[in-house]
Amino acid sequence: GAVVSQHPSRVICKSGTSVKIECRSLDFQATTMFWYRQFPKKSLMLMATSNEGSKATYEQGVEKDKFLINHASLTLSTLTVTSAHPEDSSFYICSASGKTGNTIYFGEGSWLTVV
Amino acid sequence: KQEVTQIPAALSVPEGENLVLNCSFTDSAIYNLQWFRQDPGKGLTSLLLIQSSQREQTSGRLNASLDKSSGRSTLYIAASQPGDSATYLCAVKMGAHNDMRFGAGTRLTVKP
Repeated sequence: GAVVSQHPSRVICKSGTSVKIECRSLDFQATTMFWYRQFPKKSLMLMATSNEGSKATYEQGVEKDKFLINHASLTLSTLTVTSAHPEDSSFYICSASGKTGNTIYFGEGSWLTVV
Repeated sequence: KQEVTQIPAALSVPEGENLVLNCSFTDSAIYNLQWFRQDPGKGLTSLLLIQSSQREQTSGRLNASLDKSSGRSTLYIAASQPGDSATYLCAVKMGAHNDMRFGAGTRLTVKP
């Protein structure tokens, strides 16, 4: 079946630096990708929706200048956390859907720890 | 705005019991509903996907039902096992190209 790969699975970065998380669809063209954030023991909260070749649409309260999303190709979307702070430490997970949009496939998630 | 609620928030049962997890949503005009399993520190594993036109789906010991008009879904787990211990998430999709909206999950513990 379809597979969405996320990398890195775990990353530790220093406060003030930027970190990039990649989300790749391995065997289908992902016209739409979604980025979620999950705090410990909480549910997934949608951060933004990205469509290939266009700017991402951010949910209310999500800083678009801090969480940069790029969806330059049909198989790759990236989330860059800029000037990371300890409160950005969280589990970030992406999902992707193809042209029909019927099924969404989730990546394995990325743990970000900012020290 | 779609709100998804899962009850109970946590559940602990002895091995072998049958159990039901509940999910409710405020806007019944959903495209589909999906149940996921999440192990601690891990990503999501899809369990069952129910299209809006369907009433239920079954996979092994799992059965999910959907009553769209009343905004409810249940996940039935038969003969629970310790390996079933995880957080179970319910999510709804409002349209073909929409994102999924998640409930807060039910943390299930099955004791040997």
